Amino acid sequence: AQSVTQLGSHVSVSEGALVLLRCNYSSSVPPYLFWYVQYPNQGLQLLLKYTSAATLVKGINGFEAEFKKSETSFHLTKPSAHMSDAAEYFCAVRVTGTASKLTFGTGTRLQVTL
Amino acid sequence: DSGVTQTPKHLITATGQRVTLRCSPRSGDLSVYWYQQSLDQGLQFLIQYYNGEERAKGNILERFSAQQFPDLHSELNLSSLELGDSALYFCASSAWTDQETQYFGPGTRLLVL
Repeated sequence: AQSVTQLGSHVSVSEGALVLLRCNYSSSVPPYLFWYVQYPNQGLQLLLKYTSAATLVKGINGFEAEFKKSETSFHLTKPSAHMSDAAEYFCAVRVTGTASKLTFGTGTRLQVTL
Repeated sequence: DSGVTQTPKHLITATGQRVTLRCSPRSGDLSVYWYQQSLDQGLQFLIQYYNGEERAKGNILERFSAQQFPDLHSELNLSSLELGDSALYFCASSAWTDQETQYFGPGTRLLVL
């Protein structure tokens, strides 16, 4: 069965600093990988997705992620954090095939300080 | 705004009761998914429907059931509610042409007292 592990339940960065949120996946077949963001009292919004095309994926709000098969990782980065980036971020995996369910990580809460 | 709507936004009820959560997918989306988000279990997939048919089942309790109607809206029925059912319930939908991407609604926050 596929799974994702998010390292660090809380990450704090200064405004303007690099954001790095870690996600490692486990899957016996090529996965589809996703990053979602959840702002307080809101639903999940798709940031970006990897579906076996380019390994470097660019998403919304300046975020990007790189699929590294050798490291089974799909870390999320943003060069310069903004206060509005404070939210909870979820990595998710979906195995290609008939089942379309997403399996989510436990989430990382990003705090951005002045 | 994802285009997925969920009602009600909040629901407070008592143990033993039954509630129905409603979801309208994005226009034209045939797939509907239900997820539960709780502090102890995180985000968990419950069930998926595609064009009225059940497609996949996750960690859904027997006390819970769902259906998708001909107009493609879906309902999640929760019965014999327990305190532990208190959670945020999300609905998501995806298009037939892009099933990899799921668009989430704002959720229904259920509180069982």
